[in-house]
Amino acid sequence: DAKTTQPNSMESNEEEPVHLPCNHSTISGTDYIHWYRQLPSQGPEYVIHGLTSNVNNRMASLAIAEDRKSSTLILHRATLRDAAVYYCILRGYSGGGADGLTFGKGTHLIIQP
Amino acid sequence: EADIYQTPRYLVIGTGKKITLECSQTMGHDKMYWYQQDPGMELHLIHYSYGVNSTEKGDLSSESTVSRIRTEHFPLTLESARPSHTSQYLCASSGMGRSTEAFFGQGTRLTVV
Repeated sequence: DAKTTQPNSMESNEEEPVHLPCNHSTISGTDYIHWYRQLPSQGPEYVIHGLTSNVNNRMASLAIAEDRKSSTLILHRATLRDAAVYYCILRGYSGGGADGLTFGKGTHLIIQP
Repeated sequence: EADIYQTPRYLVIGTGKKITLECSQTMGHDKMYWYQQDPGMELHLIHYSYGVNSTEKGDLSSESTVSRIRTEHFPLTLESARPSHTSQYLCASSGMGRSTEAFFGQGTRLTVV
């Protein structure tokens, strides 16, 4: 499975935008880019996903580089409840593997009041 | 709201006991996964399944076993619990496509004394 690289931690202030980067230089043309987050003491939850075009939903926006080798998760106005570990993963064809639902260390997002 | 349930939420058990952690989903998902996560650490995939009678080992070697006799049910069993098995166990399910989101249960926090 293609791997992703994320910063270990990031800090931001409440009510400001947050840009969480992810590098995936070995992405294949059919891999989808997914983001999940894990709040303290909870299981991960889906945030957003995309293939080539930028995506928006009620939680966040996903900006995908033109060459697809990197992406950025954007939280437009961070709140204290957004403090979590954010995971960027790639989901490709099953082909006998675990279909890319493997998680790295993610980025620990700290929100300052 | 995710329709995936894990029981029990918390379990304290003595060394040598046999335990089964339950995971059920009502979304008709073919793919199901088990993860192990120690506090503050990464999620490690230990088992996954693509459907009934399909089970595969994940990236992290585990002494646990799984079965998939029904689509909605993916139990994890430890034949003889040891203190080294103390951890949080998370179950997830997903549709077949690469663009589908995965849903996670709340987890079972296992303590072996």
